[in-house]
Amino acid sequence: QLQLQESGSGLVKPSQTLSLTCTVSGGSISSGAHSWSWIRQPPGKGLEWMGYIYHTGITYYRPSLKNRVTILVDRSNNQFSLKVTSVTAADTAIYYCARSKRDHGDDWYFDLWGRGTLVTVSS
Amino acid sequence: SYVLTQPPSVSVAPGQTARITCGGNNIGSKSVHWYQQKPGQAPVLVVYNDDARPSGIPERFSGSNSGNTAALTISRVEAGDEADYCCQLWDTTTGHPVFGGGTKLTVL
Repeated sequence: QLQLQESGSGLVKPSQTLSLTCTVSGGSISSGAHSWSWIRQPPGKGLEWMGYIYHTGITYYRPSLKNRVTILVDRSNNQFSLKVTSVTAADTAIYYCARSKRDHGDDWYFDLWGRGTLVTVSS
Repeated sequence: SYVLTQPPSVSVAPGQTARITCGGNNIGSKSVHWYQQKPGQAPVLVVYNDDARPSGIPERFSGSNSGNTAALTISRVEAGDEADYCCQLWDTTTGHPVFGGGTKLTVL
């Protein structure tokens, strides 16, 4: 059973960089049939997709976050990571990593999720 | 970008049927996916590609999609179904996924 687990700093100061890692266990991140996404949820609000990465390293980011977000893959450790620069209070959220899957065209959906980790931006 | 509209809340008595809608322009031409999120937990995929169920999801959960409305129907609702439900699709115009605002299902 494939599982995903987020890890990283839970408290980040304004203007600094948020860094999280997602560890994939029970399966390989190098599956060509999937991509790997980061999705966040501000307290009491809805889900916001941030970006995804293929095992090849190809990425696609949410346009509104593109200038601040970097997603990388580490195939040797079966992990992928997220960095968000210049954070503000608006970046306070639960951050989830998720496996993305599609059955036709570009109709991606998220079939497996990590448990999520709360990141608070505060001085 | 594409907007998905969900009612904030739906209430239903145990044993009855709950229908949660997701509205969008010509949404029937797109594939819609649904997630269940219980308090303090990660979302769980309950329906994908409009009407398909992942392994382990009860048959009580079903989906439909036509015209400008997609819907998640939960038959014989149980107390354990109380959760937030969110729809999602891939916006081919922007090239990224869009989520609805979520609907809180309350079991009376």
